Amino acid sequence: EDKVVQSPLSLVVHEGDTVTLNCSYEVTNFRSLLWYKQEKKAPTFLFMLTSSGIEKKSGRLSSILDKKELSSILNITATQTGDSAIYLCAYSGGSNYKLTFGKGTLLTVNP
Amino acid sequence: SAVISQKPSRDICQRGTSLTIQCQVDSQVTMMFWYRQQPGQSLTLIATANQGSEATYESGFVIDKFPISRPNLTFSTLTVSNMSPEDSSIYLCSVVGTASTDTQYFGPGTRLTVL
Repeated sequence: EDKVVQSPLSLVVHEGDTVTLNCSYEVTNFRSLLWYKQEKKAPTFLFMLTSSGIEKKSGRLSSILDKKELSSILNITATQTGDSAIYLCAYSGGSNYKLTFGKGTLLTVNP
Repeated sequence: SAVISQKPSRDICQRGTSLTIQCQVDSQVTMMFWYRQQPGQSLTLIATANQGSEATYESGFVIDKFPISRPNLTFSTLTVSNMSPEDSSIYLCSVVGTASTDTQYFGPGTRLTVL
């Protein structure tokens, strides 16, 4: 069965710290790996990584896909309290375009 | 990306009743999905809402429990039928982006509590 595993499940840091969130996947038909930020209810899209785009960066956030190791990391530098959220990793594969999500990492940034 | 709205934002319902959740998009989209997020859990796909035909349900979800309509390319509804406390979840609709069919954008969600 295809699955996505995220680690750590939760993380508490202080403002200004740098964090690395991990995502590993075991899938039979991989097409892309996505990262979302979830505050309250709705997940907000951050990045999509594919075999042709294995590194993305936006401001203090960046993500890398390691297709050999079947994993991805999400880095956040100079964290702020507004970064506190659940970060979700998901993959897309197969013909129906559904997303399969990991359980997420709860990040808490304290002032 | 498209602007997605959902109604209601939240509701508290009695067991045995049904609730219909609406998802409205400000532009035509080819693919729409409905997800569920139970407390402390991640998102799980319920079904793909197909315009003009029956929805495609994932394993463990059935049409009698979660009937879905999609009358056009901008609107869909999900009904949670004969509710029990186990149906207490956040329900989210999503649409596929125009730049990539792998990127999905989510509506604001509906928080359902069943007593």
